[in-house]
Amino acid sequence: DADVTQTPRNRITKTGKRIMLECSQTKGHDRMYWYRQDPGLGLQLIYYSFDVKDINKGEISDGYSVSRQAQAKFSLSLESAIPNQTALYFCATSDTDTGELFFGEGSRLTVL
Amino acid sequence: RKEVEQDPGPFNVPEGATVAFNCTYSNSASQSFFWYRQDCRKEPKLLMSVYSSGNEDGRFTAQLNRASQYISLLIRDSKLSDSATYLCVVNNWGNAGKSTFGDGTTLTVKP
Repeated sequence: DADVTQTPRNRITKTGKRIMLECSQTKGHDRMYWYRQDPGLGLQLIYYSFDVKDINKGEISDGYSVSRQAQAKFSLSLESAIPNQTALYFCATSDTDTGELFFGEGSRLTVL
Repeated sequence: RKEVEQDPGPFNVPEGATVAFNCTYSNSASQSFFWYRQDCRKEPKLLMSVYSSGNEDGRFTAQLNRASQYISLLIRDSKLSDSATYLCVVNNWGNAGKSTFGDGTTLTVKP
């Protein structure tokens, strides 16, 4: 089983709908992240959390919200999806000592 | 100017070629440096960490030049399986430990 698991892996939705992407990890890491990747571009940080009580905005947090339900779970919500939120979304954890990131397999979201 | 910039690419090379990628970063307080590999539509995976002394792993060599603020990745004897996008990642622990990604350089190795 993957150390970082994302659900759903693919989702097609309509403008205005609420969408939740879920992430769970078995790495035991405190630090978790949500990234967005658009074609031909690197990853942009949406939100990050360094422990259950810590939530921080990243570079592109507008239109998104997150919830850290437990050390192992970090979910991303789009309250009212819009077409330019069509992208590949990655959840990640990081090793506090080395900074290495461990990614889920990604969630491909299409907003029509 | 982007905080992390990579060679735009794409790089198209024959099998067996040596290819080098460069990456520059603007934040002099950056402390950790990595190269990640990303296959099409897949998640990034760590290829190598980059240390000031340079490090080598088989056909791959990574180097860091703090004075000039750039990182390099050298791939020798390219294989078809090396075809992927290579992402330069810079981490600044002083910036709440966030990692900043370059846009990636795409490598295609041809027979």
